[in-house]
Amino acid sequence: DGGITQSPKYLFRKEGQNVTLSCEQNLNHDAMYWYRQDPGQGLRLIYYSQIVNDFQKGDIAEGYSVSREKKESFPLTVTSAQKNPTAFYLCASSVHRESGYTFGSGTRLTVV
Amino acid sequence: DAKTTQPNSMESNEEEPVHLPCNHSTISGTDYIHWYRQLPSQGPEYVIHGLTSNVNNRMASLAIAEDRKSSTLILHRATLRDAAVYYCILIAYTDKLIFGTGTRLQVFP
Repeated sequence: DGGITQSPKYLFRKEGQNVTLSCEQNLNHDAMYWYRQDPGQGLRLIYYSQIVNDFQKGDIAEGYSVSREKKESFPLTVTSAQKNPTAFYLCASSVHRESGYTFGSGTRLTVV
Repeated sequence: DAKTTQPNSMESNEEEPVHLPCNHSTISGTDYIHWYRQLPSQGPEYVIHGLTSNVNNRMASLAIAEDRKSSTLILHRATLRDAAVYYCILIAYTDKLIFGTGTRLQVFP
C-alpha cells in the first residue's frame, strides 16, 4: 500500500546534538511538508518542498534544515540551534491542493 | 494565507448527525477548502475537500455556502471513533496547508 513512513517513532537527543528525522513516501507525490506539533496545539509548518532540489521555509524554520535530493525522501535535521526541539514532528505529502494531503504517523522527539 | 474560524469544541451523541461549522470570510476565489481530523498522538487524516460545490464521500459531506465565506462538515451518524480534533483549512495557490486550532469533537455513547 502507498503511504508515508516516518522513522523513528520515538527519538531521544542530548542537548547540543543534531538529529535527523526520516520521511519517505511511495505515493509519487511532488510536494512534501514538515510540521511541528506541541502538546495541545495545532500543527505549525517548518519547511516544504514542491519539487526535487527545491524547498522553502515555513513559519518556524529557524533551527531546522532539510534536503530534497529524491522525490521520495524529505529528511528533516533538527540542529542544536533549535532552542526547544522537544515536540511531535509530522511529515506530509501531496500532489496538489485539488487532492487530499497524506500524513505520516509522526516522530516524537525528546531532548534529554 | 486566508484564516478560518472554528468553535473550540462540540459535543454529540452516538448515531446522531454532527454539523461542524467553519467561517472563512477572507477566502479568495481559488482557495480550496480542506478538512482533516486528528486523533491523539497520530498524524492528521484527510476527510474531504471542495472548491465551490457540495461534496460527499464515504466519510462525510461538505456543504459550502454560496458566497464561500463559510462551510460545514457533516458527519451523518457520529460514532465513538469520530471523536477527534477537526481542522478546516484553506489552501491557496502556494499549496501550503496551514492549520488553525480546530474543533475538538466529543461523542457520547
